[in-house]
Amino acid sequence: EAEVAQSPRYKITEKSQAVAFWCDPISGHATLYWYRQILGQGPELLVQFQDESVVDDSQLPKDRFSAERLKGVDSTLKIQPAELGDSAMYLCASSLEDSGGAGETQYFGPGTRLLVL
Amino acid sequence: AQSVTQLDSQVPVFEEAPVELRCNYSSSVSVYLFWYVQYPNQGLQLLLKYLSGSTLVKGINGFEAEFNKSQTSFHLRKPSVHISDTAEYFCAVSDGTASKLTFGTGTRLQVTL
Repeated sequence: EAEVAQSPRYKITEKSQAVAFWCDPISGHATLYWYRQILGQGPELLVQFQDESVVDDSQLPKDRFSAERLKGVDSTLKIQPAELGDSAMYLCASSLEDSGGAGETQYFGPGTRLLVL
Repeated sequence: AQSVTQLDSQVPVFEEAPVELRCNYSSSVSVYLFWYVQYPNQGLQLLLKYLSGSTLVKGINGFEAEFNKSQTSFHLRKPSVHISDTAEYFCAVSDGTASKLTFGTGTRLQVTL
């Protein structure tokens, strides 16, 4: 069964350092999402891609976060500089719908757990 | 804008007992509703979703949910739980025009012998 891949699974970094997360969606999935899940809360959307284009990044803290999906396949989320409050689980998800359609099932990866010291 | 409220942060239940996890939503437009499950240190897995049609939706692992528009609710039920159902359960909503999901804060289901 095809799965969304994410790496690394765990990351410990010091504040002010740069950190990057990678996501490889299910093959053929046009839509890719990055979510942040703070401990004890539900996931919150950071950015949504349709192929290589950003559809929604309204909740992405653009002063320190950046995301790209250059070839419309895999994606990288970067934080620079990291702050203590960035400690969270970062989840990547993908869906098949090539028009970002509502109701389409999102398939989640295992996540990257970030700890900022 | 949509929002989701999961009133119960934790639900303890004995194995083989029935369970209901509550979810209420608010939205000014038609919505799609979802339940996801998250096992420890894993991503989320879709249990079921309501898009339209029958208000009773059946999902995987014996779970079902009922969409109640007048109550703005989408409660998740299982008639007999197993130890393996211990996990975090998230209710989510999208507004029917975009795929962005808004999640609730989650309910931890703890099944014991």
